[in-house]
Amino acid sequence: KAGVTQTPRYLIKTRGQQVTLSCSPISGHRSVSWYQQTPGQGLQFLFEYFSETQRNKGNFPGRFSGRQFSNSRSEMNVSTLELGDSALYLCASSFGKGDYGYTFGSGTRLTVV
Amino acid sequence: SQQGEEDPQALSIQEGENATMNCSYKTSINNLQWYRQNSGRGLVHLILIRSNEREKHSGRLRVTLDTSKKSSSLLITASRAADTASYFCATDPSGYSTLTFGKGTMLLVSP
Repeated sequence: KAGVTQTPRYLIKTRGQQVTLSCSPISGHRSVSWYQQTPGQGLQFLFEYFSETQRNKGNFPGRFSGRQFSNSRSEMNVSTLELGDSALYLCASSFGKGDYGYTFGSGTRLTVV
Repeated sequence: SQQGEEDPQALSIQEGENATMNCSYKTSINNLQWYRQNSGRGLVHLILIRSNEREKHSGRLRVTLDTSKKSSSLLITASRAADTASYFCATDPSGYSTLTFGKGTMLLVSP
């Protein structure tokens, strides 16, 4: 079966711009969660959506937002980009309940200049 | 904030040797998971151990969990060059897909 698809793979943006990243989960998975990975802070949880509802949110400013569509695809948006937002953004899909491992996409590498 | 802390931060071994990585965490958990990441790419799920389990095996991987010490270990036996990667432990305290990761162990396996 197809894996988790993240688009785009690479992105270069200028400070102050906004960006939208996309994640298509594995078919049948209803949960999509997002993570930011930087050399300094490591992997940090951003938010999680299940059946179009945000169930959990990490400790990030309001510039980071997301949504999930009825087909479980998810997008995250970062507005007013800062240099510190440069990171690898990973999404993971799962059934959303029970003890299952998560399947991650290959990530979107965002560089803010 | 980081829930898990892996030890060591880096490990260099020869092919055929065993590699052991340790993870400590802070709060109660539903399960603990180990992931592998190759050179800045996506994470690959390796193994999940539930809070009521003490040991689990999968191929060349062996994971132990000690909830009284809030620690886990990952053993990779007969390492191969292809095992070169970063390894992360992650906990899911809420059970709602909110993984909290450690900083990872970088494993280098030399031929």
